[in-house]
Amino acid sequence: DVQLTQSPSSLSASVGDRITITCRASQPVSFFVNWYQQISGRVPRLLVSSASKLQADVPSRFSAGGSGTDFTLTINNLQPEDFATYYCQQSYSQPLTFGGGTKVDVK
Amino acid sequence: QVQLVQSGAEAREPGASVKVSCKTSGYTFNSFDLNWVRQAAGQGLEWLGWVSPGSGNTVYAQKFQGRVAMTWDTSTGTVYLELHSLKIEDTAVYYCARLTSPRDYWGQGTLVTVSS
Repeated sequence: DVQLTQSPSSLSASVGDRITITCRASQPVSFFVNWYQQISGRVPRLLVSSASKLQADVPSRFSAGGSGTDFTLTINNLQPEDFATYYCQQSYSQPLTFGGGTKVDVK
Repeated sequence: QVQLVQSGAEAREPGASVKVSCKTSGYTFNSFDLNWVRQAAGQGLEWLGWVSPGSGNTVYAQKFQGRVAMTWDTSTGTVYLELHSLKIEDTAVYYCARLTSPRDYWGQGTLVTVSS
C-alpha cells in the first residue's frame, strides 16, 4: 500500500499568513494526488485534483504542486474559512490511501 | 442535483454486523464508482473500498477483506456497505462518496457505534 505522510500534523496560523503543507508518498504516484479540506463537523471537500488542478470553486489563494513522491499545498493570505483539516489522497494505486491530515488552527 | 443520502445511525455489539445504505440521485447511477470512507472520532479518513455498478466490480481494502461486502441495487440507485464481526475500533462515521473531479459528492455520513 502507498503510505502518505503529511507534515506538519498541525499548525497554528493567523489570518493573512502563508502556509504550506507537505505530503510525501512511500513510492512514486506520478501526479495522482488529490487534496481535501474538511471543516470541523462537515464532510470533506475536494480542493485539488491531479496534484495541481484547483477545482472551479476553490479560491486562487490556494495552490498545489508536486509529482512522484513529494507534494505541497500552499495557502496564501489565509482566511477565516480556511481553518480546517487538510488531507492528501493518492489515486495511483489501490487501495486508495489518505494522509494523516494537517489541522490548521488559529494562533 | 447529485445527492447521496445515507441511512441513520446504528448501534451494535462487538461481533455483530451492520448494513449501511446510500441512496443516490441526480446522475446516471451506472456511470460512476462509489467509495466507502470512514472516520473515527478525531481521526483521519480511511478508505474501505469501492463499487463500480457499471462494470459490476468491487474492490476492498485488504484490511477489511473477509468481513466487508459492498453491494448495490441499480433499480433504486442505492449502494450498501455491510461490515461483519464488528470490533470496538470500527466505531466511526461511514461515508459513501463519489470521488470525482471537478466535483466530489459525499453522503452525510452514518455513525456506527460498536460497544458492549
